[in-house]
Amino acid sequence: AQSVTQLGSHVSVSEGALVLLRCNYSSSVPPYLFWYVQYPNQGLQLLLKYTSAATLVKGINGFEAEFKKSETSFHLTKPSAHMSDAAEYFCAVSATNAGKSTFGDGTTLTVKP
Amino acid sequence: NAGVTQTPKFQVLKTGQSMTLQCAQDMNHEYMSWYRQDPGMGLRLIHYSVGAGITDQGEVPNGYNVSRSTTEDFPLRLLSAAPSQTSVYFCASRNDRDIQYFGAGTRLSVL
Repeated sequence: AQSVTQLGSHVSVSEGALVLLRCNYSSSVPPYLFWYVQYPNQGLQLLLKYTSAATLVKGINGFEAEFKKSETSFHLTKPSAHMSDAAEYFCAVSATNAGKSTFGDGTTLTVKP
Repeated sequence: NAGVTQTPKFQVLKTGQSMTLQCAQDMNHEYMSWYRQDPGMGLRLIHYSVGAGITDQGEVPNGYNVSRSTTEDFPLRLLSAAPSQTSVYFCASRNDRDIQYFGAGTRLSVL
């Protein structure tokens, strides 16, 4: 069984401030972990993916995430928020041998000027 | 490269009507899936397929049917639409590195 919990359905930051979106997971097998971004009226796009090669994963648009097994966490960060980062962000876990992905409920990021 | 194409983009149905949401991908991906997205509930898996001729149920399959006669196409059928099926539906295909590619979605309202 696998599950994802995203802490905070809404996060608001000022432009230029640190972005931190939290994700905790549970999985009965070593997980594949993902962050996706969804802009208004669009489908989801992959930001980054963890597959056990390195605990710190760098993605597109300056985002990165760190896998912490002891904390079962995979938090998403960006040092300096930009207005264009305003979107909804989804954390997901997948166990390839099961062939299914489980998504969190999403976190809406608002960036204030 | 079109990626994942969903049609229609918008649809309004009356309770009891049936319809098919179309999904096609041109990336030769074996794995395809359908999700519904509802406010505050993330994405929930409806059905998925690991290849042509093979389909399986996801988390919320009731009221939906799927088939996979070709690698490219994975249609989702609503047999008798209900207001509870008002949602945004996303089709996705997955490559062999477990990265999913999503369509732009179909916004369905059932009155």
